[in-house]
Amino acid sequence: QSVLTQPPSASGTPGQRVTISCSGSRSNIGGNTVNWYQQLPGTAPKVLIYNNNQRPSGVPDRFSGSKSGTSASLAISGLQSEDEADYYCAAWDASLNGWVFGGGTRLTVL
Amino acid sequence: QVQLQQSGPGLVKPSQTLSLTCAISGDSVSSNSATWNWIRQSPSRGLEWLGRTYYRSKWFNDYAVSVKGRITVNPDTSKNQFSLQLNSVTPEDTAVYYCTNMDVWGRGTTVTVSS
Repeated sequence: QSVLTQPPSASGTPGQRVTISCSGSRSNIGGNTVNWYQQLPGTAPKVLIYNNNQRPSGVPDRFSGSKSGTSASLAISGLQSEDEADYYCAAWDASLNGWVFGGGTRLTVL
Repeated sequence: QVQLQQSGPGLVKPSQTLSLTCAISGDSVSSNSATWNWIRQSPSRGLEWLGRTYYRSKWFNDYAVSVKGRITVNPDTSKNQFSLQLNSVTPEDTAVYYCTNMDVWGRGTTVTVSS
């Protein structure tokens, strides 16, 4: 059971906008920033969003992040076939004194 | 840009010690802003943070409760790298192990615990 809660799956057609949610508590999302990672099959996670809504250079602006209270969201607009991957949220947890992750959301592009 | 190169054995016997190293390029293990972490991933546990080391005028470590007492993460300033040691391993420690500064990740090392 992961500390952060994500839906196990999401889907959309090319060009659509998809949102993935991440729910936590005051000790993690509520008090610290959120990162989002994309993991393609057989590869290491890659940071898509850090500090709730910041994109590293090279990440398309189709990817955006937001946070409100103890929840965060990742939005992907203009969905493309190469976006098919697993997506994870993560945050520092002040009570556990460690990073915690969501269970991951598998995105399927129909 | 920062790159992380992992090394270490892929097979460890039960009750022995798992040892991995992560060599850093493009940054310093003694950076006053970075933290150097070990994370593992398995089908049963998902992504699980194990521990970290970082320098803020002196060295600090944090470890996950799930592995506390068995884990050591050490910096090596002479080689600009950091290491993971996990003692008394069992088959439940079988996973892909990653080193990361939470932005950049190593490629991962598949570690199997088996006799």
